[in-house]
Amino acid sequence: EVQLVETGGGLIQPGGSLRLSCAASGFTVSSNYMSWVRQAPGKGLEWVSVIYSGGSTYYADSVKGRFTISRDNSKNTLYLQMNSLRAEDTAVYYCAREPGIGLFDYWGQGTLVTVSS
Amino acid sequence: AIRMTQSPSSLSASTGDRVTITCRASQGISSYLAWYQQKPGKAPKLLIYAASTLQSGVPSRFSGSGSGTDFTLTISCLQSEDFATYYCQQYYSSRTFGQGTKVEIK
Repeated sequence: EVQLVETGGGLIQPGGSLRLSCAASGFTVSSNYMSWVRQAPGKGLEWVSVIYSGGSTYYADSVKGRFTISRDNSKNTLYLQMNSLRAEDTAVYYCAREPGIGLFDYWGQGTLVTVSS
Repeated sequence: AIRMTQSPSSLSASTGDRVTITCRASQGISSYLAWYQQKPGKAPKLLIYAASTLQSGVPSRFSGSGSGTDFTLTISCLQSEDFATYYCQQYYSSRTFGQGTKVEIK
C-alpha cells in the first residue's frame, strides 16, 4: 500500500528555516517524480517544487532561491528545506507522488507550517 | 505561466442533482488536465486525468471532458459524499491549479 507521511511542520519566526520530511512506503521515491504542494489556510492549492527521478529539480517562482527539494534514497524519504521563511509561506504542505509528469495520484496527510513572530 | 480559472467558485445543490464545473486555461493545454476532490482537513484526491480518464476506484458518476482551453467536470447524480471542493490542474507546462469550486448542500 502506498503511503506518504509528512513531518517537520511547526511555528517558525519570519526569516527562519525549517526542513520538512516525507517518508514513503509501498513504492520507491527515487523511481518517481515527487512534488510538494501547499495550501494556505482557507485558500487553494499551490504547487511548490518537484524532483524528477533523474534528480532534476524545479520550483515555483514564489519559492525559488529559498526552498530546496531533495531526497534520501536509502531512507526512501523526500525533503523540503525552507529558508528565509515569510508570513506568506504559512500553509499546510503536502508531498505527492507523480505517476506521470505533472499530476498527483498519492498525497500525504500534510504538515502545517506557520510563519509568525 | 498558465492560469486556470474555475466557475462557479461555489454552488449549492441537492443529492441527486447533476452538477457541472468548468475550468478554463489561459492558453491551450491539449488534454493535460486533472480534477481533484478535497474534503475539509483532508488531502486532495485524484478523480480524473488526461481530461477524461477516470482514476481507478472513482465512481462512474464522475466524468470529465474538454481539450484545449475549456474543460468540464460533471457529477451525474450527486451523492452526500460528493459535497467537497473540486480543483482542476493543468500539467501541460509545469503545474497550476484552479482556485477551486465548493459544492455545498442546498
